[in-house]
Amino acid sequence: TQLLEQSPQFLSIQEGENLTVYCNSSSVFSSLQWYRQEPGEGPVLLVTVVTGGEVKKLKRLTFQFGDARKDSSLHITAAQPGDTGLYLCQAGGTSYGKLTFGQGTILTVHP
Amino acid sequence: GAVVSQHPSWVICKSGTSVKIECRSLDFQATTMFWYRQFPKQSLMLMATSNEGSKATYEQGVEKDKFLINHASLTLSTLTVTSAHPEDSSFYICSARDGSGGGYEQYFGPGTRLTVT
Repeated sequence: TQLLEQSPQFLSIQEGENLTVYCNSSSVFSSLQWYRQEPGEGPVLLVTVVTGGEVKKLKRLTFQFGDARKDSSLHITAAQPGDTGLYLCQAGGTSYGKLTFGQGTILTVHP
Repeated sequence: GAVVSQHPSWVICKSGTSVKIECRSLDFQATTMFWYRQFPKQSLMLMATSNEGSKATYEQGVEKDKFLINHASLTLSTLTVTSAHPEDSSFYICSARDGSGGGYEQYFGPGTRLTVT
């Protein structure tokens, strides 16, 4: 299993602030997924990135895959209380083998 | 979009009894399904990977005789927690990979909250 380091683990901010969550590894990944999970529910897929250097935008969320496909970031602009949740990155190796989750980032956005 | 269901959504059982959790892919065929366990405010821990028609592959430290996994069809996998104990109380989540597409993404079920008293 390839190790995936996610940071920060906890983030508490005020509404309107910007934030960035990082997902790093020493391994190269064929793809990387970001999920958001609310308490008592399963994770919901936000985005998949597959190309090194790729940037994808989903409203106020911007996802970036590193050039070397070893890291990714999730940036949220003007956070809202509805963004509160557990954010997870997940990545897979080149052999369609085991997919690894990061430790997760618990985001709390205060009104 | 791809939908995965889980049943039951929550269950309370007495210590020593067995509990079966079902995971179904509703609108696609899932060649591979995954079972995860999650503790409060933590990430998902992979328990096992199951492929249709073959034995599940368990992660290190997961007792295969305690957590029985069956993937009898392309749309159904079951996890049976045998002789459950309070320490088995957790949030169990399944996911399914659509074998017809690129194969990158997993689609998650809504989870099952197990409480063993």
